Amino acid sequence: GESVGLHLPTLSVQEGDNSIINCAYSNSASDYFIWYKQESGKGPQFIIDIRSNMDKRQGQRVTVLLNKTVKHLSLQIAATQPGDSAVYFCAFVYGNNRLAFGKGNQVVVIP
Amino acid sequence: DSGVTQTPKHLITATGQRVTLRCSPRSGDLSVYWYQQSLDQGLQFLIQYYNGEERAKGNILERFSAQQFPDLHSELNLSSLELGDSALYFCASSADTFSNQPQHFGDGTRLSIL
Repeated sequence: GESVGLHLPTLSVQEGDNSIINCAYSNSASDYFIWYKQESGKGPQFIIDIRSNMDKRQGQRVTVLLNKTVKHLSLQIAATQPGDSAVYFCAFVYGNNRLAFGKGNQVVVIP
Repeated sequence: DSGVTQTPKHLITATGQRVTLRCSPRSGDLSVYWYQQSLDQGLQFLIQYYNGEERAKGNILERFSAQQFPDLHSELNLSSLELGDSALYFCASSADTFSNQPQHFGDGTRLSIL
């Protein structure tokens, strides 16, 4: 099946520092990518998305970078806060708006 | 709050039983998606409905079925339950069935098979 992989299972970051989460994908035909955040006991929460005709998109404290040449996606979180502690998933769309998710990357913010 | 409502939040049942999970999409969304999240498989796409019709199937077992009703809510039916069906089941919705639209997820139903 389609696969999306994450490089690091757990990222510990000091409060106030920047966080970077990386993701590799296998389907070169995908043209839409999404980052989700999942907190304990909740469903995945949409953070930011990017289309394949872009290589960078910024939101509030978050930036997504897309490198289609090497099939790599990253999420940068600026000035990480305790509320950013969660599992982060990258996902890409294939077929009829179906999502393929990565395994998840735990971010732990140290106060 | 994503606007997607799932009930029940928790379900405990025994092997061989049948359960129904319910999902109400965000107001105005026509597409509903079901996903299964387990520790060993991660988040897996099961099935998609758009305006009452099945649009796509993923890794959904034959023991599982779903439907979307005229009021756009959806139900996922799981039958002949096995221990391995224990997982979190998420529903997501989007405005229509086109790609390049984010899906918004509910908080899931945690199914435990004893």
